[in-house]
Amino acid sequence: EAGVAQSPRYKIIEKRQSVAFWCNPISGHATLYWYQQILGQGPKLLIQFQNNGVVDDSQLPKDRFSAERLKGVDSTLKIQPAKLEDSAVYLCASSLIGRAPYFGAGTRLSVL
Amino acid sequence: GENVEQHPSTLSVQEGDSAVIKCTYSDSASNYFPWYKQELGKGPQLIIDIRSNVGEKKDQRIAVTLNKTAKHFSLHITETQPEDSAVYFCAASISRNQFYFGTGTSLTVIP
Repeated sequence: EAGVAQSPRYKIIEKRQSVAFWCNPISGHATLYWYQQILGQGPKLLIQFQNNGVVDDSQLPKDRFSAERLKGVDSTLKIQPAKLEDSAVYLCASSLIGRAPYFGAGTRLSVL
Repeated sequence: GENVEQHPSTLSVQEGDSAVIKCTYSDSASNYFPWYKQELGKGPQLIIDIRSNVGEKKDQRIAVTLNKTAKHFSLHITETQPEDSAVYFCAASISRNQFYFGTGTSLTVIP
């Protein structure tokens, strides 16, 4: 079984630029998550989808972050404009209903 | 939302010894508790999970215990090996597949 795929693995941008991350979840997983992991901390949920719909985006900074999940499969997370404090690893995860999420390898973002 | 606290933040053990990591949660409605292992440069990997209707679960050298009354759960690793060195995260879930993570424990197994 293929795992959660994310790209790119690394991204370096300057502040105020925009950036997008892509995620392909495990086949058949209805729930898809985007987490932000700052160095030395646990993952923090940004947004959770179930199929096409948003379940929770209460911690997503909506003035600069946006996410979509097209056709209930792939998802993209965008940051525009980026700030220095957005430097982190962005983790995508997916799960079956009622089960723990499986994570991708993450995208390490550095904002200079 | 749920608040999950995890201790200790760092833990060093001799190879062959046991390691114990503890987590507490705030919401008594939490009913599902997975544990993850994260190696450098990788995403968290699910290693074991437990539901609230079970007090203990084992998988080879790894076990998890749950005390619903005290609202805490623990990860036990026996006969530790150098490859167990990683950051471990606990998590708690209330409903709607929402998971709240602890702050992590960096485990070092000294050969």
